[in-house]
Amino acid sequence: NAGVTQTPKFRILKIGQSMTLQCTQDMNHNYMYWYRQDPGMGLKLIYYSVGAGITDKGEVPNGYNVSRSTTEDFPLRLELAAPSQTSVYFCASSYPGVSNYGYTFGSGTRLTVV
Amino acid sequence: AQSVTQPDIHITVSEGASLELRCNYSYGATPYLFWYVQSPGQGLQLLLKYFSGDTLVQGIKGFEAEFKRSQSSFNLRKPSVHWSDAAEYFCAVGASGGYQKVTFGTGTKLQVIP
Repeated sequence: NAGVTQTPKFRILKIGQSMTLQCTQDMNHNYMYWYRQDPGMGLKLIYYSVGAGITDKGEVPNGYNVSRSTTEDFPLRLELAAPSQTSVYFCASSYPGVSNYGYTFGSGTRLTVV
Repeated sequence: AQSVTQPDIHITVSEGASLELRCNYSYGATPYLFWYVQSPGQGLQLLLKYFSGDTLVQGIKGFEAEFKRSQSSFNLRKPSVHWSDAAEYFCAVGASGGYQKVTFGTGTKLQVIP
């Protein structure tokens, strides 16, 4: 059982380039989330999805886009990379219901924009 | 809106000593509370969670946390710290609805000295 898998683990982008951060989970979780982590700032929610075809903005969505065509995959797209998007990105998933409340996290993608 | 405060950015304890990490939350109703641990270069792992019932909850790796409604606190404790506990710890609060969106604190980095 792989859990939540994120690729790539590291990436360096030039300003203005675009890229997609991949996230896939094999637990049949309905809910998926993208967070970014910056030093001393904790984790901030970028986007989330409650099922295939349904996505919504989180706290810091500007500069990002997402899609959810399948239950398993939730890619995060950066269209015009900016230095402010230098961060560590985490994908997480969970299953509905009070007893299931609590995320499974991927191991993260460290992105540097230069 | 929900929020979490972790007042201690960095804590150093001796191996074998007891540990208490502080967390205060703000939420209008009964909160869903979590503690996560992040080892260097890794994703976050759920240590424990509180929804209702017994205010003292047990988690993995020998950790426990106590919910105190009157103080809006959910402090994490461990009676005897091991060198492997050195990591960053995040407190988080979630709403009872809202698709399990969680707000994280800024984290407390734990250093363990021999």
